[in-house]
Amino acid sequence: ELKVEQNPLFLSMQEGKNYTIYCNYSTTSDRLYWYRQDPGKSLESLFVLLSNGAVKQEGRLMASLDTKARLSTLHITAAVHDLSATYFCAVEVTRGGADGLTFGKGTHLIIQP
Amino acid sequence: KAGVTQTPRYLIKTRGQQVTLSCSPISGHRSVSWYQQTPGQGLQFLFEYFSETQRNKGNFPGRFSGRQFSNSRSEMNVSTLELGDSALYLCASSRAGRNDGGYTFGSGTRLTVV
Repeated sequence: ELKVEQNPLFLSMQEGKNYTIYCNYSTTSDRLYWYRQDPGKSLESLFVLLSNGAVKQEGRLMASLDTKARLSTLHITAAVHDLSATYFCAVEVTRGGADGLTFGKGTHLIIQP
Repeated sequence: KAGVTQTPRYLIKTRGQQVTLSCSPISGHRSVSWYQQTPGQGLQFLFEYFSETQRNKGNFPGRFSGRQFSNSRSEMNVSTLELGDSALYLCASSRAGRNDGGYTFGSGTRLTVV
């Protein structure tokens, strides 16, 4: 059974600081996704990582994927309050020809002024 | 372009009743998958449909079912509702198969069972 573990699950940080969220998964994966969720809202796609060594950046967020280590990271640079949200990583493994996502439990991020 | 549309947005049902939720994917997307989100269990995969066929199913009881129509719109049905079925139900659409675009989620249907 595929397991996806995120850490930390809760993170409180100050504006201007840097931090990294880690996502470990237990089996070979086809691809990995990062999503953001604001309270009461749906999931907003942040990054799709398709291959080993993939690195993508959008604003203050950068995601990377190491398929050999089965590890993805989401790095936050010079955090601002607007980045406060819950961040999920999700791993996609093709099962019987069909795709499905297995999510981590999410990292609840609070950025304080 | 229009996103993924889920209806209704909110629903209150009584234990024992059944409920049907609807999801219209992005135009051109042929795959629709459903997820349940609860505070305790997080986001869990329910099932995925492609070309009117269920291709994969998560670990949920048979009370949870779904279907997909020829226009790719999908419905999921939960029969004999239990209090534990209270959750945010999200559907996601994708082009299908191995694609670089990933999954786009709808706004969800929040179901409350009383």
